[in-house]
Amino acid sequence: GENVEQHPSTLSVQEGDSAVIKCTYSDSASNYFPWYKQELGKGPQLIIDIRSNVGEKKDQRIAVTLNKTAKHFSLHITETQPEDSAVYFCAASIDIAGGTSYGKLTFGQGTILTVHP
Amino acid sequence: NAGVTQTPKFRILKIGQSMTLQCAQDMNHNYMYWYRQDPGMGLKLIYYSVGAGITDKGEVPNGYNVSRSTTEDFPLRLELAAPSQTSVYFCASRKGLAGFSYEQYFGPGTRLTVT
Repeated sequence: GENVEQHPSTLSVQEGDSAVIKCTYSDSASNYFPWYKQELGKGPQLIIDIRSNVGEKKDQRIAVTLNKTAKHFSLHITETQPEDSAVYFCAASIDIAGGTSYGKLTFGQGTILTVHP
Repeated sequence: NAGVTQTPKFRILKIGQSMTLQCAQDMNHNYMYWYRQDPGMGLKLIYYSVGAGITDKGEVPNGYNVSRSTTEDFPLRLELAAPSQTSVYFCASRKGLAGFSYEQYFGPGTRLTVT
């Protein structure tokens, strides 16, 4: 089955700096890669996602890049703010219309991001 | 919309007891999932359902059971609780049909301790 590795496990940055979190996946059939943010005591919330037919996607201060050949994808947060402090998870799934994978996600281990004011 | 709701928020069980974790969604989503999150780890899929009456095992199904009698509800049953089932449990849902968003929406979680 799919295996997703995420690094680093903890990341500490100063406010205004950039933060990068990296994930690798094992199943070349995976084609959907979401990133979730989990605040303390809450459920994960989708912040950005990318499909395998796209190399990069941006949403304001957040961007995700995908390298299908190397089977890795990364989350980039620019101009970090204290409210960005949270646990971030990457995930991968095989999502094909009419397929039988049903969007089952395999998650990475998570990265605790701390942004110091 | 309330989104995905889970009850209870917290529960302490003794070894060997049973309980049902409740999950409901009001977004008319077809697909529903149960995950567990152990400390310092990512989420692992326990069971999932693609519609009323259809369920299947995920990565870590042992010790759990599910049912899906309606589109809205997807309860998770723990039989004979064991300390290894101490975890935070999350329910999630998504539309599931081609052409819709792939996003899974998560509930707030149930923190379960088995002692």
